[in-house]
Amino acid sequence: AQSVSQHNHHVILSEAASLELGCNYSYGGTVNLFWYVQYPGQHLQLLLKYFSGDPLVKGIKGFEAEFIKSKFSFNLRKPSVQWSDTAEYFCAVLSGGYQKVTFGTGTKLQVIP
Amino acid sequence: EAQVTQNPRYLITVTGKKLTVTCSQNMNHEYMSWYRQDPGLGLRQIYYSMNVEVTDKGDVPEGYKVSRKEKRNFPLILESPSPNQTSLYFCASTPGLAGGARTQYFGPGTRLTVL
Repeated sequence: AQSVSQHNHHVILSEAASLELGCNYSYGGTVNLFWYVQYPGQHLQLLLKYFSGDPLVKGIKGFEAEFIKSKFSFNLRKPSVQWSDTAEYFCAVLSGGYQKVTFGTGTKLQVIP
Repeated sequence: EAQVTQNPRYLITVTGKKLTVTCSQNMNHEYMSWYRQDPGLGLRQIYYSMNVEVTDKGDVPEGYKVSRKEKRNFPLILESPSPNQTSLYFCASTPGLAGGARTQYFGPGTRLTVL
């Protein structure tokens, strides 16, 4: 079965620090990869997605992610975080051509002003 | 406005009392899914539907039922709720695309408490 690992459960950063959140998946076939953000009390919003092509994907709010097929990874990055980035971040993988979506357990990011 | 709506947003009920959480989308999407979100476990897929009358189990289907009689609606039914079904539930819809990443659009969530 497909699995998605997010190794950092809780990350605390100061404003302007750089961010990298890890995401690894287990499926060896074609995948669609996503990062979602959930602000406190809100539903999930899409940050960015990868389907094919350039493995470096740029999303909203200055986030980017790099797909490294050989490492089964799709890490999320942001060069300089802001207090407003405080949220929970979920990596997700869609595999098998259908709607079988697997989410990671999430990483809570706290940005200190 | 394109959106996914869920009702109710909050529900407190008792063990064994059947309930239905509705989900509706106005984007003419083929695919719809239900998830539950629990602390430390992320989102887990309960059921999904690829089109009208086509549904399949996700990772945690036990204790839940769904139906897809119309394209826009995908209700989640708990025939006999139990306390371990206390959770935050999200419905999502996705367009059926010939190509391109299938982005899911999430509803606002339903917080269910089963006493």
